[in-house]
This record gives sequence, structure tokens and C-alpha cells, in this order.
Amino acid sequence: QKEVEQNSGPLSVPEGAIASLNCTYSDRGSQSFFWYRQYSGKSPELIMFIYSNGDKEDGRFTAQLNKASQYVSLLIRDSQPSDSATYLCAVRSNYQLIWGAGTKLIIKP
Amino acid sequence: SAVISQKPSRDICQRGTSLTIQCQVDSQVTMMFWYRQQPGQSLTLIATANQGSEATYESGFVIDKFPISRPNLTFSTLTVSNMSPEDSSIYLCSVEGVVMGHTEAFFGQGTRLTVV
Repeated sequence: QKEVEQNSGPLSVPEGAIASLNCTYSDRGSQSFFWYRQYSGKSPELIMFIYSNGDKEDGRFTAQLNKASQYVSLLIRDSQPSDSATYLCAVRSNYQLIWGAGTKLIIKP
Repeated sequence: SAVISQKPSRDICQRGTSLTIQCQVDSQVTMMFWYRQQPGQSLTLIATANQGSEATYESGFVIDKFPISRPNLTFSTLTVSNMSPEDSSIYLCSVEGVVMGHTEAFFGQGTRLTVV
């Protein structure tokens, strides 16, 4: 069974620090990888996607992919209280999106 | 991008009754997806709805319990039948679209269901 694993948290990070969120996946044939942010009571929204090994930066966000280790991470620099949310890792395997349970991130002012 | 209108946003239902959730998309899409998200849990795919054919259900979900309609390319409904408290959850409809060269999932606002 294809699985995506995330630490459920909560992960508490001081404002202005770097938040590091991690995700591992079981299907070595997975092709694309996504990070979604979900505020409490709201629907998930895409914040980053990555297809190739290495780093991809977008503003304060950096996604990192290591296919050999089956590992994808999300770094949030200069964390803000508005970054407090649950972050869902999703992996596309064939046609289907497989979702992690999410990591709850709390940014402390 | 796709804008999805889902309703109702929440409901409290008696056990043994049924609830139909509606999902309207602002553009034509081939596939619509129905997910369940229980507190602290991941999104679990219930079924994929294609227009003009029966929905494809994932392991653990059956048509008798979660009948789905897909009458056209912009609309779908999910019914939660003969509800029990274990069906209390958030139900989300989703579509996928290509945005700037990548395929992205878009979600409705979700339906928070409580069965008493």
C-alpha cells in the first residue's frame, strides 16, 4: 500500500526562525510532490510543488526533494504567525494523489 | 485555476438518515474527486466521479453507502447514506487542473458533517 508519512506535530517555531517540515513516501515510482497548507476549518491550498531532485525556492518557501531517500521537505524562512497551519504533503503516484496526515505548525510571536 | 462551490458547509444529522453534498465547478472537468478528512487524519479518497460512467470507489468505500452522481462536466453529488456517528467527518470535493505546466488539486470549501 502506498503511503506518505509526516510527523503530526505540533511543531512549535519562534517567529522569524526557520520551520522545517518533513515527509517520506513509500512508492519509489512517484513522479511529483506537493505541499499544501490547510488553515483550521478551511480547505487545503497548494503552496509548493517539486518534480526534480534538489531544491526549489519560492519566496520564503523552499521545497527539497531526495528521490533516492524518498524524502521531501519544506522549509519556511522568517516564519510568521500567519504561517501557523497544518501542512499536508501529497505525492502523485500514477494518476492518484496520496496524502500525508499533515504536520501542525505553530509560530509563536 | 478552478473555483468549486460546495454545499452544505456543515450539517448535523440524525443517525439512519442520509445527506447529499453538492459540488459545482466553474469549468468543465473530466474527473471529480470526493475525499473524507477525519480530525487529525489525512485526506482519504472515497471515489473518483467521471461524467457518463459509474464512479470508481476506493478500497473500503462502497456505492450503497456513498452513492455518487455526475450528471454533467461541472456538477457532482455525494450522498452519505444510513449515517452513523462514525460518518462524522469533513467531506471535500476536488478537481485537478493544469496551472502553468503543473497539475494542481483544487478543493471545495468542505462539508463538516456531525451525526448524532
